[in-house]
Amino acid sequence: GNSVTQMEGPVTLSEEAFLTINCTYTATGYPSLFWYVQYPGEGLQLLLKATKADDKGSNKGFEATYRKETTSFHLEKGSVQVSDSAVYFCALSDGNTGGFKTIFGAGTRLFVKA
Amino acid sequence: NAGVTQTPKFQVLKTGQSMTLQCAQDMNHEYMSWYRQDPGMGLRLIHYSVGAGITDQGEVPNGYNVSRSTTEDFPLRLLSAAPSQTSVYFCASRPTAGLPTDTQYFGPGTRLTVL
Repeated sequence: GNSVTQMEGPVTLSEEAFLTINCTYTATGYPSLFWYVQYPGEGLQLLLKATKADDKGSNKGFEATYRKETTSFHLEKGSVQVSDSAVYFCALSDGNTGGFKTIFGAGTRLFVKA
Repeated sequence: NAGVTQTPKFQVLKTGQSMTLQCAQDMNHEYMSWYRQDPGMGLRLIHYSVGAGITDQGEVPNGYNVSRSTTEDFPLRLLSAAPSQTSVYFCASRPTAGLPTDTQYFGPGTRLTVL
């Protein structure tokens, strides 16, 4: 079945450091891939997405490229801020099943120190 | 637009009690879903609906019922609460049921504790 694997956290960085959060997936078809972010005490919100191979999603300085050959969708940011402290979820939605069952990774908590 | 709203924000139940978590959206979205969030496990799909009158099971449906009588509302019922149902519950919606590229919009969550 479909699955998403994320690097375990927590990840602790100093302000202005480079961020990478790894995400790999298993899917039978051609899924759409998402990164959602959850700030403390809130629901999830979309950070970025990519819907086909080699697409790059970007938002608020974050980027991720849909790599079909390595089944990966790693999240990167060149210079993190304290306000980026949150939990980040990688997710996939499989078009073969109508995308009705989105699969989420376990989440990676990021702490950014001033 | 209020987006996706959930009530209550917090709830404490005793084992065996029943209750309904409310979810509503005002965006005329076709698709609605319920997830539970547990530490180290991410979000797991409980039930989903692709339109009024149509629901189906997700990954972890046991102990939960849903119905969708209107486009706007998608309540989640716990039939007989158990400590294993202690979790944070999120409702989500997206515009088009059968479009996997659509973004999901999440409510603020309900934190449920079962004693």
